[in-house]
Amino acid sequence: ETGVTQSPTHLIKTRGQQVTLRCSSQSGHNTVSWYQQALGQGPQFIFQYYREEENGRGNFPPRFSGLQFPNYSSELNVNALELDDSALYLCAIPRGTPSSGANVLTFGAGSRLTVL
Amino acid sequence: QQPVQSPQAVILREGEDAVINCSSSKALYSVHWYRQKHGEAPVFLMILLKGGEQKGHEKISASFNEKKQQSSLYLTASQLSYSGTYFCGTEILTGGGNKLTFGTGTQLKVEL
Repeated sequence: ETGVTQSPTHLIKTRGQQVTLRCSSQSGHNTVSWYQQALGQGPQFIFQYYREEENGRGNFPPRFSGLQFPNYSSELNVNALELDDSALYLCAIPRGTPSSGANVLTFGAGSRLTVL
Repeated sequence: QQPVQSPQAVILREGEDAVINCSSSKALYSVHWYRQKHGEAPVFLMILLKGGEQKGHEKISASFNEKKQQSSLYLTASQLSYSGTYFCGTEILTGGGNKLTFGTGTQLKVEL
């Protein structure tokens, strides 16, 4: 149990559909990051939210969008799904930042999306 | 740019040692190491900040060569529980949200 909860755990969509993935944490941290992990690859940074505002984005198109709510839960939305969007989507919160400010992450178990 | 990990995969007998390397082309602020078991979330192992320090946790330790932008993870006297995929995550300081850039991973299998 990591303290980071993601839902749904698995889902299947077809090309062109839209999907919403959710993330919440027991600690209610004000920073949340989303990563995409394709099969056999390392996680790739999608974006980060800090106090409900996007605070950094990776190399992903605008059809990947997010929200962070006042209770610090978060959503990842993907529009116009493509086959290559099939992946494990991971939500991560800072674990407990050392005084140096390094970004140690606690990941949720992820949502596995299959696009047919 | 994604850090390069080597080897891609390694098989060990229980009790053997292994070294996993991570190399970046960018000036790094920190290097993180995570282990991911099949179907599970990546789990944090340790972080190394610039300064060439070496850290350890039981029989797993790591080093960070700031000049070469390289890090190595050392697993000694491997146990079955060490099996999984190891990722290094590199961090540079940016103006908008510190992010980790992960390597492609090293699959480690420990057998009896």
